[in-house]
Amino acid sequence: EVQLVESGGGLVQPGRSLRLSCAASGFTFDDYAMHWVRQAPGKGLEWVSGISWNSGSIGYADSVKGRFTISRDNAKNSLYLQMNSLRAEDTALYYCAKGDAADIINWFDPWGQGTLVTVSS
Amino acid sequence: DIQLTQSPSFLSASVGDRVTITCRASQGISSYLAWYQQKPGKAPKLLIYAASTLQSGVPSRFSGSGSGTEFTLTISSLQPEDFATYYCQQLNSYSLTFGGGTKVEIK
Repeated sequence: EVQLVESGGGLVQPGRSLRLSCAASGFTFDDYAMHWVRQAPGKGLEWVSGISWNSGSIGYADSVKGRFTISRDNAKNSLYLQMNSLRAEDTALYYCAKGDAADIINWFDPWGQGTLVTVSS
Repeated sequence: DIQLTQSPSFLSASVGDRVTITCRASQGISSYLAWYQQKPGKAPKLLIYAASTLQSGVPSRFSGSGSGTEFTLTISSLQPEDFATYYCQQLNSYSLTFGGGTKVEIK
């Protein structure tokens, strides 16, 4: 069974940094692209970033470009999101999702349960 | 970036009703569209990909159609477990945008 378990969320002050992690199991991690998607409280889904199987292709939403960095460690079956210069509008539940193929441009299945990031002073 | 507009944003329906949700893209995306279902407090779940292909394990009352700029998700006979929010997602560019969502509630 595929499992995705996010961690690293919490309360952080504006302007500070946070690093999210996603531990993957139940599939061959380095065969698939991986993604981060967020959902602000009571709002819809927003794709944040994606990374191809070998980190050769990476994409970001305009809202996080230059502040967030996605990475993966295939040896550890783990996905990461380094979030710098955090803003109040980054407050959201952050989901890790498995792509359906090696490249970024593919649907997401399954998703983890999310980790909550709250940016507030 | 490609924008996706879902309509309606909210609908109230009864068990057994046929329900149709529309997703319009700001430019043509061929069949590069997916649909997800999200229940309160849960992660989204993939229902349909490539505009019309049902994900394994998803009930056959769900169907998707369309190509280019207009797409639909249809639930042929709404069941109690289908009350949820539905999102479309375009897969045509490196900015994998979602629609704003359609919340389906019990009438």
